[in-house]
Amino acid sequence: EVQLVQSGAEVKKPGESLKISCKGSGYSFTSYWIGWVRQMPGKGLEWMGIIYPGDSDTRYSPSFQGQVTISADKSISTAYLQWSSLKASDTAMYYCARRDGYNYGLDYWGQGTLVTVSS
Amino acid sequence: SYELTQPPSVSVSPGQTARITCSGDALPKQYAYWYQQKPGQAPVLVIYKDSERPSGIPERFSGSSSGTTVTLTISGVQAEDEADYYCQSADSSGTYVFGGGTKLTVL
Repeated sequence: EVQLVQSGAEVKKPGESLKISCKGSGYSFTSYWIGWVRQMPGKGLEWMGIIYPGDSDTRYSPSFQGQVTISADKSISTAYLQWSSLKASDTAMYYCARRDGYNYGLDYWGQGTLVTVSS
Repeated sequence: SYELTQPPSVSVSPGQTARITCSGDALPKQYAYWYQQKPGQAPVLVIYKDSERPSGIPERFSGSSSGTTVTLTISGVQAEDEADYYCQSADSSGTYVFGGGTKLTVL
């Protein structure tokens, strides 16, 4: 069974750093792209970027380029999303999702990680 | 990148047919995908490549494409179909884009 399990909710202060994770299981982790999607409170889905764990090829949405870093450790089947200096506007639910091997659909999703940034 | 435009809301009575549209200039060249998101849950892929249905998705969900518009159709809507629906596509460089989402209300 394909599963993406994300790390737990985080509460941080502005200016702090953060790295959240997404662990894949039940499939060949290095053979599928993993994307990250933001959902701000009460708002829609926003694509942040995507990584291919096999070779760490990474693409970012222009809206998030330079704001976050996406990485992966294929030895432990885990993808990451990190911030070096959080802002209150980073408060959101963050989802990881696997890209289907044959098209651009996101066929499996993590349960989401809620990040709250507040002073 | 480009934009995908959806109506903010659609309302339908149980048993009727709901149609949710998504418009974008790149849609004649790129496939569209549809996701269902219920409150407090992660999105679920319900249609891929304009009109294909993943295993486990009820047959009442279907998709179609015409020019710059794709449509998600839910036939015989049930109360459990009440959710937010998002279309998604990708440009030739692999950059994804989501539509703004449509709230489906089952009256």
